[in-house]
Order: sequence, then C-alpha cells, then structure tokens
Amino acid sequence: DAGVTQSPTHLIKTRGQHVTLRCSPISGHKSVSWYQQVLGQGPQFIFQYYEKEERGRGNFPDRFSARQFPNYSSELNVNALLLGDSALYLCASSLLPPGGIRNEQFFGPGTRLTVL
Amino acid sequence: DQQVKQNSPSLSVQEGRISILNCDYTNSMFDYFLWYKKYPAEGPTFLISISSIKDKNEDGRFTVFLNKSAKHLSLHIVPSQPGDSAVYFCAASAKGGSEKLVFGKGTKLTVNP
Repeated sequence: DAGVTQSPTHLIKTRGQHVTLRCSPISGHKSVSWYQQVLGQGPQFIFQYYEKEERGRGNFPDRFSARQFPNYSSELNVNALLLGDSALYLCASSLLPPGGIRNEQFFGPGTRLTVL
Repeated sequence: DQQVKQNSPSLSVQEGRISILNCDYTNSMFDYFLWYKKYPAEGPTFLISISSIKDKNEDGRFTVFLNKSAKHLSLHIVPSQPGDSAVYFCAASAKGGSEKLVFGKGTKLTVNP
C-alpha cells in the first residue's frame, strides 16, 4: 500500500513569491496534518484537517493557509515567502479523528523548500 | 518554550548493545507519547507509542518506558543494529482539539559495527 505522498520533492522560490505544496494521505485516512521542520529542530505543527474542516492551527502567520479536498488530499499554501520559510514541509495522515481513540500519525517524505 | 526536550543531541553505541534515548516533557496535559526515527531526506517513521495509562510498551527490539511523576520517557533498543543509526524524535500530544504532535529536537544515534 502507498504511504503518504507529497509533491513536489524539492522547490526553489524567491522572496515574495507564493508556493503550493500537495499531500495525499494513506488510503482510508481522513485526517491530514502539516508540519514545518527547520534544520536542527523537530517538526513544528502548522495545521490539521479532518473531513475538510480545520481542527487545529499552530503558531504560524496568516501567510500560511491550507485546505483539504473531498478525496482527503490537502494543499498547504504560503504567500509572500520569506527567507525563514526555507524548511522541510512534512505532511502526516492518521486514520482516526482527533478527540477520540489516540492513534499515530504517518509522515510523508516531505517537500524541501528553499527561499532565495 | 520547549515543552518536549531531548537533552542529548547525539549518542554512540556498539552493535549488539543497548541504546537508551531519553526525553523529558513539561506539559502535564500530554497523555500520548510517540517515538519516530528519521533518516536523511526521508520523513519521520513511526516506531512505537505509549498512552499515559501505561508505563511500558514493547514492540520487538523497541521498548518505551514512561515515568509520569518525573515527566520522563525513554526508548530502549536492544540489541542495537547499524541500521538503527538515524535521528530519533520524541513527540507528545494532549487530548482534545487537534491532538497536534509536539516534538523534541531529536537525538542522533550512531550504532558502530
């Protein structure tokens, strides 16, 4: 079975540009979360979506937005890119809805974003 | 404010010996803990988890221990293998809301043949 997939693998943008990152969860998983990992740090939570509804948002500026589609895939959008947005962006999916039985999140390979 | 702390940036052990990775947390609302392993250029891979109602969980060579009073958990790998060499992340979540994962900074484990 396919795991979590993300596209593109790598991306280079310049300051001020906009970027869209894509994620497809494991088949059957309805919950998708986005994390940002900068060098030397652990992943940091950005958003979680379940059944197309935002269930949580981390401490990120409004330049960051996301959405989930009817097929449970998701997009992360970042506007007005800054040099500090350079990071590995990770998508994770989980089977069960938040607030119920606890279950692990499974991560994709990530998208490496470089902002010049 | 680092709610999940992995105070050892790196750990080196010999093949066949035990690897012990440690993690401390400060948020008493955390009730679910996970360990992930990460190779370069890959996403984190789930290893093992533990609920706060337990103090130990085993899965093959991996055992996680939870000491709630000390707000401390550890991951034991026995026996360690060279393929275990990776960065290990401790993560925690609190019930309710998004149940987002809060990660430590990671510990780089090197298992020497």
